[in-house]
Amino acid sequence: DAKTTQPNSMESNEEEPVHLPCNHSTISGTDYIHWYRQLPSQGPEYVIHGLTSNVNNRMASLAIAEDRKSSTLILHRATLRDAAVYYCILNNNNDMRFGAGTRLTVKP
Amino acid sequence: SAVISQKPSRDICQRGTSLTIQCQVDSQVTMMFWYRQQPGQSLTLIATANQGSEATYESGFVIDKFPISRPNLTFSTLTVSNMSPEDSSIYLCSVGDRAGGYTFGSGTRLTVV
Repeated sequence: DAKTTQPNSMESNEEEPVHLPCNHSTISGTDYIHWYRQLPSQGPEYVIHGLTSNVNNRMASLAIAEDRKSSTLILHRATLRDAAVYYCILNNNNDMRFGAGTRLTVKP
Repeated sequence: SAVISQKPSRDICQRGTSLTIQCQVDSQVTMMFWYRQQPGQSLTLIATANQGSEATYESGFVIDKFPISRPNLTFSTLTVSNMSPEDSSIYLCSVGDRAGGYTFGSGTRLTVV
């Protein structure tokens, strides 16, 4: 059973920021929040992960709510290549279970 | 992060036959994971494979249908046995990396006719 809830789809304009939300109200203290994306005809690709503090890397930022019951993946400047399905996953001891994800469409 | 080579990338098989999918990693890893992605769906975990022990299967998946081998720390195979059209899916392997994320193979697209 997926432990996260995401919108089925979102749209963004090219070169604008994108905020992808994820609810995980049953998160436990040892669950890490992972984000992956899957481009068409490819395997999932790691984006970012975190535990409590906000995280930044070259691909994106992860903002984690203070109560950890929700998080937001931030793409600072969407490009057409960012069009993909984005998965938010709670991982505890290698237990990685995918939900339905959010299909992001980027409009030129 | 680890680099995974998964073979074959795609295959079309006759029902009743078996297909073995190979997953080669460029570094030693303790755990390897096998997933199935049915058409238009998300990924479902099939089993976790540790070197030197039997794989642990998720609910709905059995060893007779999806036997897994893990002969060493860089290699694993998943066999889809006695295939039917319902087994048509993408099968993916995955490993954890030192930075805490997971790397996935590019997948094997299986069509059973």
